[in-house]
Amino acid sequence: QQQVKQSPQSLIVQKGGIPIINCAYENTAFDYFPWYQQFPGKGPALLIAIRPDVSEKKEGRFTISFNKSAKQFSLHIMDSQPGDSATYFCAASSYGNTGKLIFGQGTTLQVKP
Amino acid sequence: GAVVSQHPSRVICKSGTSVKIECRSLDFQATTMFWYRQFPKQSLMLMATSNEGSKATYEQGVEKDKFLINHASLTLSTLTVTSAHPEDSSFYICSARKAGTGVSPLHFGNGTRLTVT
Repeated sequence: QQQVKQSPQSLIVQKGGIPIINCAYENTAFDYFPWYQQFPGKGPALLIAIRPDVSEKKEGRFTISFNKSAKQFSLHIMDSQPGDSATYFCAASSYGNTGKLIFGQGTTLQVKP
Repeated sequence: GAVVSQHPSRVICKSGTSVKIECRSLDFQATTMFWYRQFPKQSLMLMATSNEGSKATYEQGVEKDKFLINHASLTLSTLTVTSAHPEDSSFYICSARKAGTGVSPLHFGNGTRLTVT
């Protein structure tokens, strides 16, 4: 119940494409869903986050779509650039569970020039 | 704002020795810090939750006597890997949340690459 399942494991797109990364969860107590970007040898950096009371959130080129009934959420990267090549992690947490984040398995994105 | 600093960034130690990793919140107070471990090309696995002024809460399967956590102040948590062995070689990452902000963004340090020879 604590798992967050992420797919695909890896993704290759051309510059300007729109990669989509999907996550699914089981625990209905989760109420905070962030996405992190990680470059090799660095810690994860928060990209964008959403709470279950909204179905979509946009920040710059990054959009989260959230489907509460399906217990799924996804990250869309608009107009992707080679500099977006990194590993992306979805995560989930609940206030009642000390707020600790449970991470998905990660998606390695490569954006080709 | 919300910078988390981790030190050292890399450390190599011999088998059987202990290594201490520091995690500091530079511009905010953090009552709770989290320690993660990440193996190559894998996800972040939560090891323990560190609470200021109290004992850490360890995840299932994590040896509390091997991974000692101390959260002595609102800006500093330390992880000590005791009697390190090659299988402890990993990327250790800490994170912190601003005090009094409930479920809000977790800010991560840049990690510590531990290599045990």
